[in-house]
Amino acid sequence: AQTVTQSQPEMSVQEAETVTLSCTYDTSESNYYLFWYKQPPSRQMILVIRQEAYKQQNATENRFSVNFQKAAKSFSLKISDSQLGDTAMYFCAFMRGSSGNTPLVFGKGTRLSVIA
Amino acid sequence: DAGVIQSPRHEVTEMGQEVTLRCKPISGHNSLFWYRQTMMRGLELLIYFNNNVPIDDSGMPEDRFSAKMPNASFSTLKIQPSEPRDSAVYFCASSWGQGSGNEQFFGPGTRLTVL
Repeated sequence: AQTVTQSQPEMSVQEAETVTLSCTYDTSESNYYLFWYKQPPSRQMILVIRQEAYKQQNATENRFSVNFQKAAKSFSLKISDSQLGDTAMYFCAFMRGSSGNTPLVFGKGTRLSVIA
Repeated sequence: DAGVIQSPRHEVTEMGQEVTLRCKPISGHNSLFWYRQTMMRGLELLIYFNNNVPIDDSGMPEDRFSAKMPNASFSTLKIQPSEPRDSAVYFCASSWGQGSGNEQFFGPGTRLTVL
């Protein structure tokens, strides 16, 4: 079974600063995908970024980027130029690769507060 | 596209009552997932369907929970009888089935409170 660990229950950052959220996972799979989802107070789950395990290049989406260390099974999220709208719960998630769709396994989340 | 639609958004019921949660996935998606979110356990999978067929229901807590997907555009999650420990936010998510690693699109969730 796969497990996802987010060791930082809460974090805060000043507006316009950079913050990094940590995530580690455990799996024996060789083919898998990693995700970061954002859950603002509205509770809507929103995809932030996606990484294929077979790609060495780190994924980026505008102000969001990841540091994917496959050997260390680490998948951290960096948010640059933090904005008040980034305040949310952030969930790291693992998806096993397959010929079809498979479920997400989530970490417990990190609550991020962006302070003006 | 309207996105994944869930109803009701909020449900308050008394212990022992039957509860039915509904989900309409995004048109064209052929995978549907039911997740439950609680403070204690976080987000966990209950059951998922591919092409309307249940693939893994090992996350369903007990026989009080059942889920159906009679067609590609509708799914239900039923709890009978409900208990206070079932209080949680229930999410439905859908994804497109070609290849793997596809993004799952979540509905707004149903907040269930069992008194």
